[in-house]
Amino acid sequence: AQSVTQPDIHITVSEGASLELRCNYSYGATPYLFWYVQSPGQGLQLLLKYFSGDTLVQGIKGFEAEFKRSQSSFNLRKPSVHWSDAAEYFCAPSGGYNKLIFGAGTRLAVHP
Amino acid sequence: NAGVTQTPKFRILKIGQSMTLQCTQDMNHNYMYWYRQDPGMGLKLIYYSVGAGITDKGEVPNGYNVSRSTTEDFPLRLELAAPSQTSVYFCASILGQRLNYGYTFGSGTRLTVV
Repeated sequence: AQSVTQPDIHITVSEGASLELRCNYSYGATPYLFWYVQSPGQGLQLLLKYFSGDTLVQGIKGFEAEFKRSQSSFNLRKPSVHWSDAAEYFCAPSGGYNKLIFGAGTRLAVHP
Repeated sequence: NAGVTQTPKFRILKIGQSMTLQCTQDMNHNYMYWYRQDPGMGLKLIYYSVGAGITDKGEVPNGYNVSRSTTEDFPLRLELAAPSQTSVYFCASILGQRLNYGYTFGSGTRLTVV
């Protein structure tokens, strides 16, 4: 069965520190891969996506993600976190009928 | 362009009541989805549709029904509300052959069953 795992439920970083959020997926083939962000009480905003080609993809707000086929991973990174990045982050592969399968999410807290 | 519109934004239901969550998109997207979001659980797929007249179950369909009589509308029906259906519900759509344009999500409906 298709599945996605975000191992870190909560992460706390200091403002200005680097960030990496992990995502591992289990699929029969390489899926399309997405990262979404959700601020408290808000809807979902697309950060970035991977379809094919260059395995390092750039997104909005200074985020990037790297697809590693050998590790079935699609980790999200940011070199310097801002207080406004505090939110919940979801990794979501896309499978049959373009269904998004969401991970449980990683809640990011940012210390000043 | 309104995108995906969900109504209502908030609703409190009593156990056993029924209601319909509305979802409308004006982008001529053929694929539409209903998700529910519970704390710490991410989003779970309830039902989806690949076009008018075609619907199928997702991961957590029990207690819900859907219909897709038009391309634009994809309502979600709760027949006998239960406390376990307290959640935030999101509708989403995409043009099936245009994944690179991304999914469009509605702003959500927060439902409380008491």
